[in-house]
Order: sequence, then C-alpha cells, then structure tokens
Amino acid sequence: ETGVTQSPTHLIKTRGQQVTLRCSSQSGHNTVSWYQQALGQGPQFIFQYYREEENGRGNFPPRFSGLQFPNYSSELNVNALELDDSALYLCASSLDRGLSPLHFGNGTRLTVT
Amino acid sequence: DQQVKQNSPSLSVQEGRISILNCDYTNSMFDYFLWYKKYPAEGPTFLISISSIKDKNEDGRFTVFLNKSAKHLSLHIVPSQPGDSAVYFCAASEQGGSEKLVFGKGTKLTVNP
Repeated sequence: ETGVTQSPTHLIKTRGQQVTLRCSSQSGHNTVSWYQQALGQGPQFIFQYYREEENGRGNFPPRFSGLQFPNYSSELNVNALELDDSALYLCASSLDRGLSPLHFGNGTRLTVT
Repeated sequence: DQQVKQNSPSLSVQEGRISILNCDYTNSMFDYFLWYKKYPAEGPTFLISISSIKDKNEDGRFTVFLNKSAKHLSLHIVPSQPGDSAVYFCAASEQGGSEKLVFGKGTKLTVNP
C-alpha cells in the first residue's frame, strides 16, 4: 500500500510569485484535502476535492486554488505569494469525503521571502 | 476565534506512567473528534477518534474521553513509552467524519526513560 507522497519537500519563493505543490493520494483513496500549518499552529483546512470536484473550502482567498486529477492525485496552486503564506502545506487523502481517517503526507515546506 | 483549544503547549511524563492530554472546544456543532500524532519532519498520523454519541473509546494503550456538557475531551496513554514522544493534535469535525477538520495548536509530549 503506497502512502501519500508530496513534492517538493522544500521550496523557496519570492513574494508575488506563483507556486504549485503536488500530492499523490494513497492507493484506493478518492478524496484529497489540503491543510496549511503555520509555525506554532495546528493545520488549517484549505479545501477538499472529491472525484475531481471541490467539496468544501476553508477561510482562504481565491488565490489558493486546486485541482484533482482522474487518478486522484492533486495540485495546490497559490498565486501572488505573500510572506504569510510561508508554512508547511499538508496533503491528506481519504475514502469517500472523510468516512475514513485522513492519511497525511509529510508536507511541503514553503518559504516566501 | 479558536474553536479547538489545547491549552498545554507541552507535557513531560515518566516512562510507564499515564499521559493525559486535554482539549476544549467551543463549537457545539462538532460531532466527531480525532487525535493525531506528529513526529518531526513527518505528517500527522491518525491515532484514535470518538463520535459525539459516545463518551469513551479505547484502542490498546490509548483511550479518549468526551464530556459534551463541558465541551472537553482528553487522551489517556497508559503506559507511556519513549516512542510516544511527539506533538499531539486534537481535531474536530461537524460532518461526522474527517471532513474539514478543525485542529488545535498541539501539545508536545515528552516521555522520559
């Protein structure tokens, strides 16, 4: 059973740039959720995708967007990066919109300078 | 406005003793609660959960207690082992599962040999 994998592991970007983070779901999982974890905070829900459709969104601006592909892998895109976007971005997969516990990847550490 | 609060940033216990981690919540619509464990440089790992229709759930050394009237839950680890040293996150959902989880800030548990 392959777990959730995220790439890249670390990334440094400049304010105003755009970034794309990638996530491969655990085998058999059709739901992907993205969370942002700022330093010293718990993970904060960004959005969830189920069968390629957005299925709920947290309190994040539209410059945070996502995609889920037919193989259930996913991307998180952030436009017009701000310094406060510096955080650990966690992808989690699950079965059927959360009927099973979330399985998290190890995250992508994004630093915006 | 923090809906899930873990008021103890850290906890230190001796190996073999009980570890008690606490969590309070303010949103009465939460109906499902989870605990996740996180080691450095890894994603959170699901530990145990409890539905609001129960007041206790047990899985091996881990027991979660829910007091709905007090809006309080706790995680008991007995006996504690050095490998339990990690950051523990309390999370809650209104959806009855793992959708749109709201996390606390975490408690760092250190189990001393």
